[in-house]
This record gives sequence, structure tokens and C-alpha cells, in this order.
Amino acid sequence: AQSVSQHNHHVILSEAASLELGCNYSYGGTVNLFWYVQYPGQHLQLLLKYFSGDPLVKGIKGFEAEFIKSKFSFNLRKPSVQWSDTAEYFCAVAAAGNKLTFGGGTRVLVKP
Amino acid sequence: GAVVSQHPSRVICKSGTSVKIECRSLDFQATTMFWYRQFPKKSLMLMATSNEGSKATYEQGVEKDKFLINHASLTLSTLTVTSAHPEDSSFYICSARDLRAQIQETQYFGPGTRLLVL
Repeated sequence: AQSVSQHNHHVILSEAASLELGCNYSYGGTVNLFWYVQYPGQHLQLLLKYFSGDPLVKGIKGFEAEFIKSKFSFNLRKPSVQWSDTAEYFCAVAAAGNKLTFGGGTRVLVKP
Repeated sequence: GAVVSQHPSRVICKSGTSVKIECRSLDFQATTMFWYRQFPKKSLMLMATSNEGSKATYEQGVEKDKFLINHASLTLSTLTVTSAHPEDSSFYICSARDLRAQIQETQYFGPGTRLLVL
């Protein structure tokens, strides 16, 4: 069975700071990787996804993530956060043709 | 982008009653929809996979007789919480896969339904 772990439950940072959220998964085969964001009071939205090709994936709102196969990791980054990036971020993994497994989520609070 | 709606957004019911939650894909067809449950300050837990025209597939530990799922059309799946109890209070979220999507694993999420059982 696949599992996903996100290292940080809460992150607090100031505007313009850089953000990196860790995500590791356990599954031996081919996986598809996702980062979703849930803004306060809103539904989950897809930030970015990796299926194949360039392991550095660029998503919406200036986010990017790097797939490192040898480390089973898919960390999310943003060079300079804004107050509007305050949200909960979920990493998710799907084995090819299989269902999504979510990590525990990381709550990010950006102080103005 | 693809839009998924849920109705109702919030529901309060008495213990012992049944509650139906609808999940609709508004601008695409979905042969597969998923039902998740999100506990406070926790992640999404997949409850079941809803397949159009066939029986749902439930995750281990999820009571199929308690959480009835019907996927009667390519745009609608329903989750009925039967004989609800306070421990069923939670945030229920559905998602749907676009039938036309080249990459089948991309899911679009609904806004969720908050259920409170008194």
C-alpha cells in the first residue's frame, strides 16, 4: 500500500520569505504526484502535478515542485510567498491507475 | 477548469435520520467519482470509489450499508449516510475524474459538505 508523509504540520513565515514543504511517499512502482491547496473556506485546488518527464514541475501561482525518485520525494517550493498563500497544502500520490493517497497536510500561515 | 459541485454545503440532522449528499460534475462527464471524509485538522481519507452504472468500491473499514453510494449518471453521484449518529459528523468531500482527461488520475474536487449530527 502506498503512504504519504508531510514533514511539517504547521509553517509560519513572513511575506517574501521562501517556502519549501516536504513530501515523501512510499511505493515501489510508478507513481503520479500532486500538490493540492485548500484556501480557508474553499475547496481543494490542484497546484501542480507530475506524471513523467522533467522532474521539476511548475504549477500555478509561482509554485514548483521537484520529483526526486531516489529519495521518494516531491517537495513543494515557492521563492517568495504572499499573504494570500495562507492555506493548507496537501501532497498526494497515485500509483498508475489507482486512487489518490493524501499526506496529512501542512498549514501555512503567511504573516503580512 | 472542471467544476464539481456538492449539495448541500451544510446539513444538521437528528441522530437516527438519513442524509443524502449530492456530487455533480458541472461541465464534464465522470465515470468515476470519489468520496472522502476529512476530520478536523486531518487529511482526506478516501471512503469509496463510485463507478457509474456499477457498485461502489469501499475502502477497508468503511461500512457500505451505512454509507450508501449511487452513481446513476455520468454527472451525478450521491452519498447517503443512513441512520446517522454524532460520530458521523464530519466534512465530506467528493471528487470526479474527467472522462475525457488524457491523464486519468487528475481529480477535481467539490467544495465539501459539512454534516453535523445532533
